[in-house]
This record gives sequence, structure tokens and C-alpha cells, in this order.
Amino acid sequence: AQSVTQLDSQVPVFEEAPVELRCNYSSSVSVYLFWYVQYPNQGLQLLLKYLSGSTLVESINGFEAEFNKSQTSFHLRKPSVHISDTAEYFCAVRKNQAGTALIFGKGTTLSVSS
Amino acid sequence: GAGVSQSPSNKVTEKGKDVELRCDPISGHTALYWYRQSLGQGLEFLIYFQGNSAPDKSGLPSDRFSAERTGGSVSTLTIQRTQQEDSAVYLCASSPRAGAGETQYFGPGTRLLVL
Repeated sequence: AQSVTQLDSQVPVFEEAPVELRCNYSSSVSVYLFWYVQYPNQGLQLLLKYLSGSTLVESINGFEAEFNKSQTSFHLRKPSVHISDTAEYFCAVRKNQAGTALIFGKGTTLSVSS
Repeated sequence: GAGVSQSPSNKVTEKGKDVELRCDPISGHTALYWYRQSLGQGLEFLIYFQGNSAPDKSGLPSDRFSAERTGGSVSTLTIQRTQQEDSAVYLCASSPRAGAGETQYFGPGTRLLVL
């Protein structure tokens, strides 16, 4: 079975500060890794995903995540956050097999203030 | 284009009543998933459809929960004899195919409150 641990339930930061949201996973089989974001009063949206190839993946709004197989981590980072990044962020894994469900972490609430 | 839609957006019901939650996936998406988001449990998988069949129902918490999909499109999640612990946001997601690398597109959810 797979599991995901998001080590921080809440991360408060000031605008323009760097941020790292931590995610560790456990799996005995090959998995794909995802970060989803849920803005206030909106649905879940894919932020980025790692399937294969380069271990560093980027989103269109400046976030990046690095797959580290030895540490079983997929931490999300942004060098300078904006107020608009305030949201809940979910890390998820999925077994490398068709039709499998996403297994989510419990989420990290990122609060950006000025 | 249109995203995944769900109805109703909010549902308040009394304990013991049955409820039906509807999901309209993105047109052409063959894979459809139901998840539940609750305060205590986070996001949990319920059931997966490929076309009209459900190869994976492993996440349904009890036999009070059932789901169907017709015409390879609309899906309905039914909860019979609702209990207070069923209160949660029920999310539907669809993807073009069932591949593990496919992005799942989520609907806005149905917020269910059982009194």
C-alpha cells in the first residue's frame, strides 16, 4: 500500500519569502507523484506532477518540486511567494498502474501575508 | 471547455434519509473517480469507473454506499440511511483515460451535511 505524509499542516509566511512544503511517501512499488492545490472556495487543481525523466518538475506559476527516490520525498518549493498563493496544497501518489486512485496526504495550508 | 460539474453543491439531510449525488465528467473522459474530503480523514478514494464498469470499489466505506455510471458519462453516488459520519465534501474527478500518469480533473464537490 502507498501512503503520503505532509509534515506541516500549516505554513505561515510573508509575501516574497521562500517556502518549502514537505511531502514524504511510502510505497513498495513504483509510483507517480503529484501536487494539487485548492484555492479558497475552489476545487482541486493539478499544480505539477512527476512521472519520469528529470527529477525536478515545475509549474507555470513558479512552484517546483524535486523527486528524491532515496529519501522518498517530493517537496514543493517556491523562491518568492505571493498573497495569491494562499491555498491548501495536497501531495499525492499513485501506483504506476492504470485505473488506480490518488492517495493524498492530509494537506498543508499555506498562508501568505503582507 | 466545460469542466467537471457536480450537483447539488450543498445538501443538508436528516439522519436515516437517502441521498443522491451527481457528477458530470468532462466530455469524452472515460475514467471517473469519486473521493471524499472530511476534516478527520482528509481526501479518501471511494470508487473508480472505467466506462460504465467499476473495477475498483475498494474505497466505499460500507454497503450503504453505491454508485453507478450510465452511458459512459454521468455518475451518481447514492448513500442510503445516511449517518452523521457521512458528512463530508464528495468530490468527483475524471481523466481522458485510466493511465496512471493521467491528470485527474476535479469538480467543485458536493458538501453533504447529515443532521
